[in-house]
Amino acid sequence: GEDVEQSLFLSVREGDSSVINCTYTDSSSTYLYWYKQEPGAGLQLLTYIFSNMDMKQDQRLTVLLNKKDKHLSLRIADTQTGDSAIYFCAASETSYDKVIFGPGTSLSVIP
Amino acid sequence: DSGVTQTPKHLITATGQRVTLRCSPRSGDLSVYWYQQSLDQGLQFLIQYYNGEERAKGNILERFSAQQFPDLHSELSLSSLELGDSALYFCASSQAQGSYTFGSGTRLTVV
Repeated sequence: GEDVEQSLFLSVREGDSSVINCTYTDSSSTYLYWYKQEPGAGLQLLTYIFSNMDMKQDQRLTVLLNKKDKHLSLRIADTQTGDSAIYFCAASETSYDKVIFGPGTSLSVIP
Repeated sequence: DSGVTQTPKHLITATGQRVTLRCSPRSGDLSVYWYQQSLDQGLQFLIQYYNGEERAKGNILERFSAQQFPDLHSELSLSSLELGDSALYFCASSQAQGSYTFGSGTRLTVV
């Protein structure tokens, strides 16, 4: 089955860019997601990308997909203290399939 | 408000007891998913229902059961509770576009 991996911690200075990386194993994963979880809260969908895309940009967020290497990244430009949270990479085969989540990357933004 | 409603928000119960968690999906969403989030296991997929039928099963224990009703709300029942069942239980729903929306979760504490 699908396995999603990501580094567990990232620390950046306010105003810098953050890059969170993720790898997945199942090449049949068609939907690749980034979710954000703030302390004590549920998961918020930030963005998703289809496997036939290389890049998707949404305001301060840029998602890059290297399908050959099964590598996904999330870049947050001009990182703010409010971006401190856990970011989950996730994958699914179709829009109705179960979504498999990575362990989450805890992003700390230093003022 | 994500549109996915979970009740109760918090639940404290004793070992050996049975509890039922409820989820109302976003209006129009036919798929409901249940996830368990614990510190040691991360976010684990439990089970998925689509329009009342079980569609996929993940790491769900035999002591746990779920169903989706004709009005599309879903219930997750946990029985013979153990201390290790203490976790956040999330429900999510989805539409065809791949937009997967989570509720705010039910925090279960087994004492």
